[in-house]
Amino acid sequence: KAGVTQTPRYLIKTRGQQVTLSCSPISGHRSVSWYQQTPGQGLQFLFEYFSETQRNKGNFPGRFSGRQFSNSRSEMNVSTLELGDSALYLCASSAEVRIYNSPLHFGNGTRLTVT
Amino acid sequence: GIQVEQSPPDLILQEGANSTLRCNFSDSVNNLQWFHQNPWGQLINLFYIPSGTKQNGRLSATTVATERYSLLYISSSQTTDSGVYFCAVDEIQGAQKLVFGQGTRLTINP
Repeated sequence: KAGVTQTPRYLIKTRGQQVTLSCSPISGHRSVSWYQQTPGQGLQFLFEYFSETQRNKGNFPGRFSGRQFSNSRSEMNVSTLELGDSALYLCASSAEVRIYNSPLHFGNGTRLTVT
Repeated sequence: GIQVEQSPPDLILQEGANSTLRCNFSDSVNNLQWFHQNPWGQLINLFYIPSGTKQNGRLSATTVATERYSLLYISSSQTTDSGVYFCAVDEIQGAQKLVFGQGTRLTINP
């Protein structure tokens, strides 16, 4: 079974631009979560989607948004990029057979550099 | 919100040594997972272990939920075990909204 696939692997953008990152979960997984990893703040939760609905949201500004499609693929968008948005963005999926028994499986991440 | 503390922050060992990594959390949890982040940045799920003990090869983990801590044991370390080990717990019971600790950076020297 293929793992979680994130594209692109690397991105370089300029301040003020916007960016869209893509995530394809493991086949059959309906929950997709996004995390931001930086050296200073560590791993921080961005949002989680399940059946095209955002179920949980982290403490990030409205410039960060996401969506999930009917095939469970997810995208996240960051508008008006700032230097501090430079980070590794990780997507994870889970099977959620039972809500308490669902290990997270992460993709390889997208490394975003804002100049 | 829930706090997650991992110790030690750094650990340097020789190949073949054993190690114990600790994760303390400030509130009751229903979801605790251990991850290994390799030098290329990929996070690998090691254990889903909200309570009890599990073993997978040279790795094992124990969570004592009533005392709010979890331990990850690595035996007979190999250089490929190097990387950062994270513990993560659910901020909201039953939600896939995990709070991660700051990690333990493990370096295994040949």
